[in-house]
Amino acid sequence: AQTVTQSQPEMSVQEAETVTLSCTYDTSESDYYLFWYKQPPSRQMILVIRQEAYKQQNATENRFSVNFQKAAKSFSLKISDSQLGDAAMYFCAYRTFDLRNYGGSQGNLIFGKGTKLSVKP
Amino acid sequence: DVKVTQSSRYLVKRTGEKVFLECVQDMDHENMFWYRQDPGLGLRLIYFSYDVKMKEKGDIPEGYSVSREKKERFSLILESASTNQTSMYLCASSLYRVHQPQHFGDGTRLSIL
Repeated sequence: AQTVTQSQPEMSVQEAETVTLSCTYDTSESDYYLFWYKQPPSRQMILVIRQEAYKQQNATENRFSVNFQKAAKSFSLKISDSQLGDAAMYFCAYRTFDLRNYGGSQGNLIFGKGTKLSVKP
Repeated sequence: DVKVTQSSRYLVKRTGEKVFLECVQDMDHENMFWYRQDPGLGLRLIYFSYDVKMKEKGDIPEGYSVSREKKERFSLILESASTNQTSMYLCASSLYRVHQPQHFGDGTRLSIL
């Protein structure tokens, strides 16, 4: 079974600085998707960035980028120029690409336990 | 924008009550999910549904059931609420394709007294 590990329960960053949140996962599959979700204090979970495992190029969305190391099964999130609004819980998630593993569904998300990011002014 | 609406932000019920949590999405998504979120445990999948009247158990289905009579609505039912079901409940939906992200509701903070 796949597992997702976020080893940093809490992180802190100074406004305008850069922070990296770590995520590792365990799988025997070769094709899959990885996601970072953000959950601000208002609680609605929103997608930050998505990476397809078959793509070698790291995904980037504005100030958010990932460092995807497939062989190491690592998927870290880098936030550049941190802003106060970046303060939130961040969840790393894995989704299988192999439809055979989940019957009629398209694969469920497996979440890490989350990293709480604080941004200091 | 996708809208996933959960019927209550906060709910207080008593032990033994039958509790209904409702979730509605407005984007014609095939997949819908119910998660439970607890500090230090992240999100754990309770049940999911990939079509009307179809449901599959997630990681922690015990004590819960679900209903999906219409595509846009996915209900989570606590048959006989217990104090260990006090938690934050999140509903999500997504399109059928595996690369499509899940869209989440605001969550329901459920307290069982």
